[in-house]
Amino acid sequence: AQKVTQAQTEISVVEKEDVTLDCVYETRDTTYYLFWYKQPPSGELVFLIRRNSFDEQNEISGRYSWNFQKSTSSFNFTITASQVVDSAVYFCALSEAVTGNQFYFGTGTSLTVIP
Amino acid sequence: DVKVTQSSRYLVKRTGEKVFLECVQDMDHENMFWYRQDPGLGLRLIYFSYDVKMKEKGDIPEGYSVSREKKERFSLILESASTNQTSMYLCASSLVPQYQETQYFGPGTRLLVL
Repeated sequence: AQKVTQAQTEISVVEKEDVTLDCVYETRDTTYYLFWYKQPPSGELVFLIRRNSFDEQNEISGRYSWNFQKSTSSFNFTITASQVVDSAVYFCALSEAVTGNQFYFGTGTSLTVIP
Repeated sequence: DVKVTQSSRYLVKRTGEKVFLECVQDMDHENMFWYRQDPGLGLRLIYFSYDVKMKEKGDIPEGYSVSREKKERFSLILESASTNQTSMYLCASSLVPQYQETQYFGPGTRLLVL
């Protein structure tokens, strides 16, 4: 079974629109971390954020914000006022204390921001 | 800043060739990983290593082997390349082998096997 589900395969938005990328995870562990990465066309995965299972506070970093809800096992990512440079594939990942340092990645969401 | 480099950005090989993909990190990280990325499948772990000369199989190790002779270098070897190994290969490293550690990625190698 997929531990991390990113149901949105591709999203297109017009520049300056807000967009939310969904991430739903599955784990029996009470201690885990969630991550978001950005993969621009150049190919390198760039780390965006890490959140542990005991911290449900929302995080904001500039135009980026993350909403972690344990009740729905979701860790969604919102880009406000999207820009062309936000066009990339975004990956959500899970690591669990019980399985050590192995990451479980979602299949990614490809975001295209149209100028 | 963590720097993970991979020896080639693009590689074209023929079926049956032995292929070496090299990865080097400069932050004294203990953990290193090899993934392959395919459309619709996300990233899948091939092998990882938590110390020199140590290796662990990931989810899809068949057809691959690895070598870690020095802490900073982790090599992925395709003993006899096949067309179904055409893919994007990503190397990553993390400080220590613990679940909370962030993985840092290299730029990737796009391998085409003809």
